[in-house]
Amino acid sequence: EPEVTQTPSHQVTQMGQEVILRCVPISNHLYFYWYRQILGQKVEFLVSFYNNEISEKSEIFDDQFSVERPDGSNFTLKIRSTKLEDSAMYFCASSEEENSNQPQHFGDGTRLSIL
Amino acid sequence: ILNVEQSPQSLHVQEGDSTNFTCSFPSSNFYALHWYRWETAKSPEALFVMTLNGDEKKKGRISATLNTKEGYSYLYIKGSQPEDSATYLCAFVVNYGGSQGNLIFGKGTKLSVKP
Repeated sequence: EPEVTQTPSHQVTQMGQEVILRCVPISNHLYFYWYRQILGQKVEFLVSFYNNEISEKSEIFDDQFSVERPDGSNFTLKIRSTKLEDSAMYFCASSEEENSNQPQHFGDGTRLSIL
Repeated sequence: ILNVEQSPQSLHVQEGDSTNFTCSFPSSNFYALHWYRWETAKSPEALFVMTLNGDEKKKGRISATLNTKEGYSYLYIKGSQPEDSATYLCAFVVNYGGSQGNLIFGKGTKLSVKP
């Protein structure tokens, strides 16, 4: 069964450094998402992406964050200048259609640790 | 602020027991309700997407019901097995006058099934 893959599985970065998290969504899916879960808290929506542009973003997704689909397969999340509070598990997801009544397919996540 | 609550937070049952847990969400502006099963160190896996009041969905020993008027959904597991041990997440989708918002997650119910 096709799956969403994320790399790396764990990223350790110094505060203030840039980090890029990578995702390969399922190939025939058109909608892509990033979520994060800070330890002990709820999974939170960050951003959705369709047709090479952001569809929606949450308050968390400020100017430090950006997303890109640099080629036909990868979907990346960049954090420009990381802060300690960016430490979290980051999940990528994709769906065939917009999220309403279609399930989203999640990757295994990237654990980001900011030192 | 839209809030999704799940109860109980955790549950320990014996193999063979049947169990159920609750997801509470706002009773107005409903669009859809998602259930995901999340095993440790794996990706969340879609179980159900429910859209209509009174919906009942079933997948093997797992079933779910939906009451949009009172704002709750139940997930039932019949004859729990150790492999059912996971965190079960629900996520609410808001109806913004015909267009839908993004997934708003609960904190999850962590189920442990003892052999």
